[in-house]
Amino acid sequence: KAGVTQTPRYLIKTRGQQVTLSCSPISGHRSVSWYQQTPGQGLQFLFEYFSETQRNKGNFPGRFSGRQFSNSRSEMNVSTLELGDSALYLCASSLTKTQYFGPGTRLLVL
Amino acid sequence: GNSVTQMEGPVTLSEEAFLTINCTYTATGYPSLFWYVQYPGEGLQLLLKATKADDKGSNKGFEATYRKETTSFHLEKGSVQVSDSAVYFCALSPITQGGSEKLVFGKGTKLTVNP
Repeated sequence: KAGVTQTPRYLIKTRGQQVTLSCSPISGHRSVSWYQQTPGQGLQFLFEYFSETQRNKGNFPGRFSGRQFSNSRSEMNVSTLELGDSALYLCASSLTKTQYFGPGTRLLVL
Repeated sequence: GNSVTQMEGPVTLSEEAFLTINCTYTATGYPSLFWYVQYPGEGLQLLLKATKADDKGSNKGFEATYRKETTSFHLEKGSVQVSDSAVYFCALSPITQGGSEKLVFGKGTKLTVNP
């Protein structure tokens, strides 16, 4: 079975721009979660989707948003990028309370 | 609230040494507990998990036992290899009413194994 895939793997943006990251879960997994990883803050939960509905949300500003499609694929969007948004963004999918992670998208904001 | 505390790294060991990485947690009830490993430039890989008290998770020579009385889930391996060099994360999935599977992570422990 193919694992979680994330695109793009690397991204460079400038302050003020917006970005969309994509995640394709493991086949059959209906839950998708997103995390931000930075050296200073570690791994922080962004949001979780299940059957196209946001099931949980972390403590991030409204500039961070996401959605899930009927095929369980998910996207997250960050608008008005700030330097501090530079991070590795990880997507995870799960079937029964065990999350499997993708390789991440590394975002650099200049 | 829910939180995970891991021993501070980095940890440097010689090949074939015994490894322990301490992890304690704060949570209500019986959360599920996990160890994930991250190799340089990669995402997180599930190493092992335990879902109830006294469960022992094991994989690739690594073991951890869910200890409710000490709220701990320490990771151990009897003989480490150079290929075990990575960052290890302890995590919990709290009990929630809405069925959320959100993970709460510790800060990670970097392990370096020298030949």
